[in-house]
Amino acid sequence: DAKTTQPPSMDCAEGRAANLPCNHSTISGNEYVYWYRQIHSQGPQYIIHGLKNNETNEMASLIITEDRKSSTLILPHATLRDTAVYYCIVRVAVNNDMRFGAGTRLTVKP
Amino acid sequence: KAGVTQTPRYLIKTRGQQVTLSCSPISGHRSVSWYQQTPGQGLQFLFEYFSETQRNKGNFPGRFSGRQFSNSRSEMNVSTLELGDSALYLCASSYRPGQGEEKLFFGSGTQLSVL
Repeated sequence: DAKTTQPPSMDCAEGRAANLPCNHSTISGNEYVYWYRQIHSQGPQYIIHGLKNNETNEMASLIITEDRKSSTLILPHATLRDTAVYYCIVRVAVNNDMRFGAGTRLTVKP
Repeated sequence: KAGVTQTPRYLIKTRGQQVTLSCSPISGHRSVSWYQQTPGQGLQFLFEYFSETQRNKGNFPGRFSGRQFSNSRSEMNVSTLELGDSALYLCASSYRPGQGEEKLFFGSGTQLSVL
């Protein structure tokens, strides 16, 4: 699976959009970009995923660059409950061995 | 519908003992994966089961084993516990393994402390 690079930490003001970047320059054509988050002492929670096109769901939006070498997760109106570690994962969907990196620790501040 | 259930939530053992952790997947899910999370190594894949068969295994010693039952419930076992086995053990389920855009749903984990 492709390696991802994320900033170790970010801050965001409550109510503002949180934009979390992820670099995956070695991604292959059949690899998906997944985002999960983990709130302290809980299991990772699925947020969103995509292959080529931008995606949006009730939690977030995923913007994938045209060359697919990077992506951005957007939380449109961050709340204090969005404080968590966010993981960007690139994987081929042939098994459930997902390679979690160190992630980005997002802190939403009042 | 109920999420992934892991029991127990917390466990304290001593070195040399063995431990069994349990995972009940989301109803209808047939694939179960196990992960170990430590502060130093992060989240690491242990193994994956589907239809009672181990499909995939991570880079862990043979002291770590698992199984899956016909109702898709899974257990993992760690024998001859070492201090370094202290970790949060997470179970994740999906309807089937790695088909298309299959999402994993995680339980809250079992926090194992080895003294």
